Amino acid sequence: QVQLVESGGGVVQPGRSLRLSCAASGFTFSDYGMHWLRQAPGKGLEWVAIVWYDGGKKYYTDSVKGRFTISKDNSKNTLYLQMNSLRAEDTAVYYCARDLKSGSFDYWGQGTLVTVSS
Amino acid sequence: ENVLTQSPATLALSPGERATLSCRASQSVTGYLAWFQQKPGQTPRLLIYDASNRATGIPARFSGSGSGTDFTLTISSLEPDDFAVYYCQQRSSWPLTFGGGTKVEI
Repeated sequence: QVQLVESGGGVVQPGRSLRLSCAASGFTFSDYGMHWLRQAPGKGLEWVAIVWYDGGKKYYTDSVKGRFTISKDNSKNTLYLQMNSLRAEDTAVYYCARDLKSGSFDYWGQGTLVTVSS
Repeated sequence: ENVLTQSPATLALSPGERATLSCRASQSVTGYLAWFQQKPGQTPRLLIYDASNRATGIPARFSGSGSGTDFTLTISSLEPDDFAVYYCQQRSSWPLTFGGGTKVEI
């Protein structure tokens, strides 16, 4: 069965960096695009970024452009999100999700909490 | 960006009743709209994709309809397990966007 397991969350000071990972299993990782999404405490869902199945294309929401980088390592079945210049408003549970039809999400991980605070 | 507006914000119903949730887009998404269910402390679950297609394992009491800018999620007869927050999401244009959610409560 499809499994997505995020890791790497924690408490970080504003302006610092963090890298999230998402280990995938139960499907052919190299055949699928992958997403990062987030949900601030008590708030709704926000899409963050997508990487195409082969890593060839990437798109980001405006608020993270130039600060976050999505990537995938098909040899390790792992998705990454490198987050630089973190801000308080980046505080959220971050989910990885498998792409459905180039823009929706059919399987989600359990999420990892990122707290940006001094 | 394409703004999705969901209504109502909260829907108070009883088990067995019919729930009708609305999602309106600021620009046409043709049929590229999905619905998700999220229960407290849980991961979102895909219910409907491309406006009217049920995802794997989703019961037939969940149905989606609409096109262009106006969409509806209908739960024909609410089960106790269906009380949750529901989000719509469009994949017609970047950035991908979600509606603000409708809470279905008892």
